Amino acid sequence: DGGITQSPKYLFRKEGQNVTLSCEQNLNHDAMYWYRQDPGQGLRLIYYSQIVNDFQKGDIAEGYSVSREKKESFPLTVTSAQKNPTAFYLCASSIGGLAGVREQFFGPGTRLTVL
Amino acid sequence: SQKIEQNSEALNIQEGKTATLTCNYTNYSPAYLQWYRQDPGRGPVFLLLIRENEKEKRKERLKVTFDTTLKQSLFHITASQPADSATYLCALDVPLIKAAGNKLTFGGGTRVLVKP
Repeated sequence: DGGITQSPKYLFRKEGQNVTLSCEQNLNHDAMYWYRQDPGQGLRLIYYSQIVNDFQKGDIAEGYSVSREKKESFPLTVTSAQKNPTAFYLCASSIGGLAGVREQFFGPGTRLTVL
Repeated sequence: SQKIEQNSEALNIQEGKTATLTCNYTNYSPAYLQWYRQDPGRGPVFLLLIRENEKEKRKERLKVTFDTTLKQSLFHITASQPADSATYLCALDVPLIKAAGNKLTFGGGTRVLVKP
């Protein structure tokens, strides 16, 4: 089955620790994205990547880092510099480059809690 | 920067009635606007995309309108069913300059509860 997987589903972190959230897609999509969602709020863009070995900051990139070494993988690291990391993290991908195909496909999400 | 707003109050509606959700935006004139459905604890699922030159788009019991003068999109669920209960998100769709992809700016979502 094609889709996006995120792991783990739940993640607990102590203050001061870095953690890495996994995102893998087998849809052969060029573009991938990371969003953060806080309770009762919409999604906010953290980072996005349009092609392997390239990525751009979104609206709230401070305290986060990413890499895109393979087309199918786009891991997100939440560093200790992120002041309020407790949130629901969503990874998405899109084909891009084709007229009329603009929807983003989302993974199931990772809920991160800082203890 | 772009700003997009949805009614944050939950919409309670009786089964069989039409639910109407509002999405207002400022500081931008998008070429596209998208609507997603999100169930609790899950990722959003794409529903519909409407272009700036389209007044209306339909998919089964769903209808979206796009008024670029009012800077507003309306999302309708006709003949609503309890299974339609979810949070609905609208998103401004901004093309990216380089190669693939597009940047979505999401509203806060409106929760819909359809009662049998």
